[in-house]
Amino acid sequence: TQLLEQSPQFLSIQEGENLTVYCNSSSVFSSLQWYRQEPGEGPVLLVTVVTGGEVKKLKRLTFQFGDARKDSSLHITAAQPGDTGLYLCAGDGDKIIFGKGTRLHILP
Amino acid sequence: GAGVSQSPSNKVTEKGKDVELRCDPISGHTALYWYRQSLGQGLEFLIYFQGNSAPDKSGLPSDRFSAERTGGSVSTLTIQRTQQEDSAVYLCASSFQRGGQETQYFGPGTRLLVL
Repeated sequence: TQLLEQSPQFLSIQEGENLTVYCNSSSVFSSLQWYRQEPGEGPVLLVTVVTGGEVKKLKRLTFQFGDARKDSSLHITAAQPGDTGLYLCAGDGDKIIFGKGTRLHILP
Repeated sequence: GAGVSQSPSNKVTEKGKDVELRCDPISGHTALYWYRQSLGQGLEFLIYFQGNSAPDKSGLPSDRFSAERTGGSVSTLTIQRTQQEDSAVYLCASSFQRGGQETQYFGPGTRLLVL
């Protein structure tokens, strides 16, 4: 059974700080996606990473796919209150599976 | 709009009643997923439709849950004899494949409350 574990489960930090959240598995995925979900809405796709070692940047967000395509990280620089939300990773293996998410709260 | 739509957006029902939740996927998307999300939790996979293949029902929590997808488009998730523990947000996503990658697009969800 393929599983994705996300850590930390919860993170509350001050505006302006940097943070990294992780998505780990023992399985290899052909691609991995990061979503952000705000209260009352469905998840919205942020990025898809495909190649082992790939790094993608989306403004202050940096996504990295592990060399073995089993894990990924999301780094946010100078966090802002608008970054608050549930960050979900999803791996494309036999079928798409989701981690349980990291709930991020940025304090103004 | 061109996104995934779900209806109703909110549903309150009494324990023991049946409910039907609807998902209209993005036109042309061959795959459709149903997920359940309890308050503050991640996504729990329920069922997956891909084209004309038999659906993957491995995530359905009990035989009270069923889903169908008519004409490869609209899908309906039915919960019979609802229980209070069925209260959750039910999310639908449709997806397409390009270059071997699958990208999902989510609807806004149906918030189900069983009293």
